[in-house]
Amino acid sequence: AQTVTQSQPEMSVQEAETVTLSCTYDTSENNYYLFWYKQPPSRQMILVIRQEAYKQQNATENRFSVNFQKAAKSFSLKISDSQLGDTAMYFCACVYGGSQGNLIFGKGTKLSVKP
Amino acid sequence: DAGVTQSPTHLIKTRGQQVTLRCSPKSGHDTVSWYQQALGQGPQFIFQYYEEEERQRGNFPDRFSGHQFPNYSSELNVNALLLGDSALYLCASSIRFSGALRDEQFFGPGTRLTVL
Repeated sequence: AQTVTQSQPEMSVQEAETVTLSCTYDTSENNYYLFWYKQPPSRQMILVIRQEAYKQQNATENRFSVNFQKAAKSFSLKISDSQLGDTAMYFCACVYGGSQGNLIFGKGTKLSVKP
Repeated sequence: DAGVTQSPTHLIKTRGQQVTLRCSPKSGHDTVSWYQQALGQGPQFIFQYYEEEERQRGNFPDRFSGHQFPNYSSELNVNALLLGDSALYLCASSIRFSGALRDEQFFGPGTRLTVL
């Protein structure tokens, strides 16, 4: 079975500092996509960043970047210059085949940014 | 440009009842997926609709059924509700292009279902 594991149920960080959220996945597929989604208390799931497995270069979106280690099946999210608005649940997810199929989510990490 | 919308926002039902949840995809999207998110958990895939047909299905019983209309909107139906069906139900929409799956899924705000 294909699984996504987030081993940090909760994390906290001081405003303006950097935090890294961990994610590992298990698959025998070669064609897959990895995502980090943010779910604030408003419940709307928002895509933060995506990574195609065939790309070696780590994805970056403004303050958000990933460390994609394909051999280790690791996909961590780094948030730089943390802001209060970054407080949310963060979910790592994986989809196999095309990028729109069945998303498999981890259990999430609750991130609190403290002033 | 309206994003993915879902109705109702909240719903309370009793065991054994039936419920219908609705989803309108983002403008230009033709594929709708449904997810169940239990409290404190990540979302779990229920099924996906494209061209008015169920294309993929997760590990959910037949009590969960769906429909997609010609305007791409979708319904999720759950029969014989159980206490364990209490969850946030998320709808996500996306585009299929030439048979290749390229774009990410955009999520709606969800419907909170409580079964008493």
